[in-house]
Amino acid sequence: GAGVSQTPSNKVTEKGKYVELRCDPISGHTALYWYRQSLGQGPEFLIYFQGTGAADDSGLPNDRFFAVRPEGSVSTLKIQRTERGDSAVYLCASSTGADGSPLHFGNGTRLTVT
Amino acid sequence: AQTVTQSQPEMSVQEAETVTLSCTYDTSENNYYLFWYKQPPSRQMILVIRQEAYKQQNATENRFSVNFQKAAKSFSLKISDSQLGDTAMYFCGTSGTYKYIFGTGTRLKVLA
Repeated sequence: GAGVSQTPSNKVTEKGKYVELRCDPISGHTALYWYRQSLGQGPEFLIYFQGTGAADDSGLPNDRFFAVRPEGSVSTLKIQRTERGDSAVYLCASSTGADGSPLHFGNGTRLTVT
Repeated sequence: AQTVTQSQPEMSVQEAETVTLSCTYDTSENNYYLFWYKQPPSRQMILVIRQEAYKQQNATENRFSVNFQKAAKSFSLKISDSQLGDTAMYFCGTSGTYKYIFGTGTRLKVLA
């Protein structure tokens, strides 16, 4: 079956602009995660959805970052007033939501802020 | 709180040889899981192996096995008969009820 799909795969934007990153999880997966991965680092937790609600958004670095999942499937990560420090790969993952169930990752979106 | 430490930034191994990647962790969860993920240049994180902390038996998946030392909070990955396709970043991770935390990774290069 289809895996986790992230679009776009690459995004270049100018400092100060607004961007949206999309994640389409595996069908039926109730849990959805966003991670940020800077060069040479491991994935850093941003936000976790269980169904439509953000169950834990403690990893969002500041109020410029926001994520939604209105119908409990596709999710969008939104970044306002982008800064050069936001440049990273943004990974999305989904799981069945059961404790310890493996995360299935997408290929990520590489965001470059110039 | 959960933390994961991978102290080997880079490693290399000859093709067909065995290599062990180290990982230590800390968690306040009573019931938790441990993972190793592989990330090739394509960027997609791929699950290599998973261990349930309440199971004492070490998990194995073909050429991949773990050495889980719960008291020491250690979770190392052994790759036997290394293949060129094993070249990748490897991330150790832990999860409790829902939060998955990863280490900084070990870059493994398999040499022909």
